[in-house]
Amino acid sequence: QSALTQPPSASGSPGQSVTFSCTGTSSDVGGYNYVSWYQQHPGKAPKLLIYEVSKRPSGVPDRFSGSKSGNTASLTVSGLQAEDEADYYCCSYAGSNNFVFGTGTKVTVL
Amino acid sequence: QVQLVQSGAEVKKPGASVKVSCKASGYTFTSYYMHWVRQAPGQGLEWMGIINPSDGSTTYAQKFQGRVTMTRDTSTSTVYMELSSLRSEDTAVYYCARADYGGNSVEYWGQGTLVTVSS
Repeated sequence: QSALTQPPSASGSPGQSVTFSCTGTSSDVGGYNYVSWYQQHPGKAPKLLIYEVSKRPSGVPDRFSGSKSGNTASLTVSGLQAEDEADYYCCSYAGSNNFVFGTGTKVTVL
Repeated sequence: QVQLVQSGAEVKKPGASVKVSCKASGYTFTSYYMHWVRQAPGQGLEWMGIINPSDGSTTYAQKFQGRVTMTRDTSTSTVYMELSSLRSEDTAVYYCARADYGGNSVEYWGQGTLVTVSS
């Protein structure tokens, strides 16, 4: 199972929006509506931001939104804030109780 | 509140095995799957496998099959991950992570356990 492909980096100024992708195959991202997104600050455990493509757990700001088209999922962070500077990982169900993470995107707030 | 408390850091020699524990509290242990995820220094997250605490059934990532064993003890609400034939590339932080109710995302994470493999 190969890792899902994410751009290594993305950036934006405070208040702007940034969107980045997570590309898989029809066996994972494209085959199921079970894509989740995680935020990880240095030295910390990841935090769930989005589950089932576009749903937000309670407590996650609505500045974070997810979508999917075909084999590619996307995460949009609107109204960028300094605390959004972190690594972001997607994860997809891949069938038969298997999961696969993305390669990760480092977001920089300029 | 949900808590996942992992065992402490380990230093192992190449070829040895390591067993990491993860004690769960704050919810019904047998009602939620548990994932194991690792992260090598400066690298991304890597899914290792999943265990159903209710019946002990497991699914392992193909990369780790034959080297990893995940078990659980319902009497202490603890899951374990044992990795054998360790090599330097296994140096990483290992996380246990509880799935959400649907089982398809990770809702809660342990604090991580650093395993260092060095001769």
